[in-house]
Amino acid sequence: NAGVTQTPKFQVLKTGQSMTLQCAQDMNHEYMSWYRQDPGMGLRLIHYSVGAGITDQGEVPNGYNVSRSTTEDFPLRLLSAAPSQTSVYFCASSHKAGGSPLHFGNGTRLTVT
Amino acid sequence: GENVEQHPSTLSVQEGDSAVIKCTYSDSASNYFPWYKQELGKRPQLIIDIRSNVGEKKDQRIAVTLNKTAKHFSLHITETQPEDSAVYFCAANQAGTALIFGKGTTLSVSS
Repeated sequence: NAGVTQTPKFQVLKTGQSMTLQCAQDMNHEYMSWYRQDPGMGLRLIHYSVGAGITDQGEVPNGYNVSRSTTEDFPLRLLSAAPSQTSVYFCASSHKAGGSPLHFGNGTRLTVT
Repeated sequence: GENVEQHPSTLSVQEGDSAVIKCTYSDSASNYFPWYKQELGKRPQLIIDIRSNVGEKKDQRIAVTLNKTAKHFSLHITETQPEDSAVYFCAANQAGTALIFGKGTTLSVSS
């Protein structure tokens, strides 16, 4: 099992550009989520999904879209990148929502200039 | 929604000492409380977790305690070693679903 795979590992965008961060898991996990990590701010939840076709907003959803068309994939879309979205993004999945351990991907370091 | 507060933000100990990190949560429906360790440049990894029907859990040098009435839980590391140096995060599940994290504690263990 590869676990949780995130691509790309690094990305530089200009303000106003759009892009999609990819996340895939091969563990047949129901639950998937996206976090951003900024110095001193911990891991903040952006969006999450409790199953295919179901998504919900987390703590900091503005400027991001998600979809969950399959169990395996949970892409995160930046609609119009802003410097405030410069961060490290982690995708994570778990067997069930809320009550089982999260498995994290290796992260994507995004810089918006 | 759930709010998780974590203290202290930094903690420095001598090798062999104990370290304690404390978290409080706001959602009385939360029933799952994991702790993650993140080394520099790496992803967070689960080190221990506890559910609301248990008051304490131990795994070798690591223990977690939970006080549901006071809505707080703590991580205890005994006999600290330099390799324990990392950032530690607590978390609680919001309304039984999404995990909300504290802001992290940077633990430094000096030899």
